[in-house]
Amino acid sequence: EAQVTQNPRYLITVTGKKLTVTCSQNMNHEYMSWYRQDPGLGLRQIYYSMNVEVTDKGDVPEGYKVSRKEKRNFPLILESPSPNQTSLYFCASQLMTGGVTEAFFGQGTRLTVV
Amino acid sequence: AQSVSQHNHHVILSEAASLELGCNYSYGGTVNLFWYVQYPGQHLQLLLKYFSGDPLVKGIKGFEAEFIKSKFSFNLRKPSVQWSDTAEYFCAVSGYNYGQNFVFGPGTRLSVLP
Repeated sequence: EAQVTQNPRYLITVTGKKLTVTCSQNMNHEYMSWYRQDPGLGLRQIYYSMNVEVTDKGDVPEGYKVSRKEKRNFPLILESPSPNQTSLYFCASQLMTGGVTEAFFGQGTRLTVV
Repeated sequence: AQSVSQHNHHVILSEAASLELGCNYSYGGTVNLFWYVQYPGQHLQLLLKYFSGDPLVKGIKGFEAEFIKSKFSFNLRKPSVQWSDTAEYFCAVSGYNYGQNFVFGPGTRLSVLP
């Protein structure tokens, strides 16, 4: 079954304590991205990756890092989390073929930073 | 920057009422259009998508959407809503002029009263 798996689903942490949210896809897609969802703002892109070792900033990259060492995994790293990073995070894996782009989303990670 | 707007922040309907949620996107040439639904506490699910061809697209759960290129619109409709349609609905656009990224609207919360 085609899927995007995020872990953990829920996380409560303290300010400044480094954390990693993992994302894995089994569809062999080259393009993956991270979004955060906040009330009234919809989903905003944090970082994206067009292939292994190729990453770039999205609309709201401040305070985040990513890596793409292998095609299936795209972890999101918060080196020093702050309360304004409390949000719902989604990883997406995108199929891009023939001018068409379609995204498949993970189940989300609800992060609370206190 | 490319953008997506949704006409309503919160819509409240009674069961069996008809639904239309508005979505407009900024000009960007050839686009792919999507509606996603997020039920309370859950992840994003694809309702329907438009890539090309017939501008009237039918999706799951009785939803449909119409792409009107001249108006840069992709409105979501359902003739008779149910209590179980209570959710948040997101319009999204992708395509070459969006850098292969997805741009989401801010979302519309739908509350259906039994």
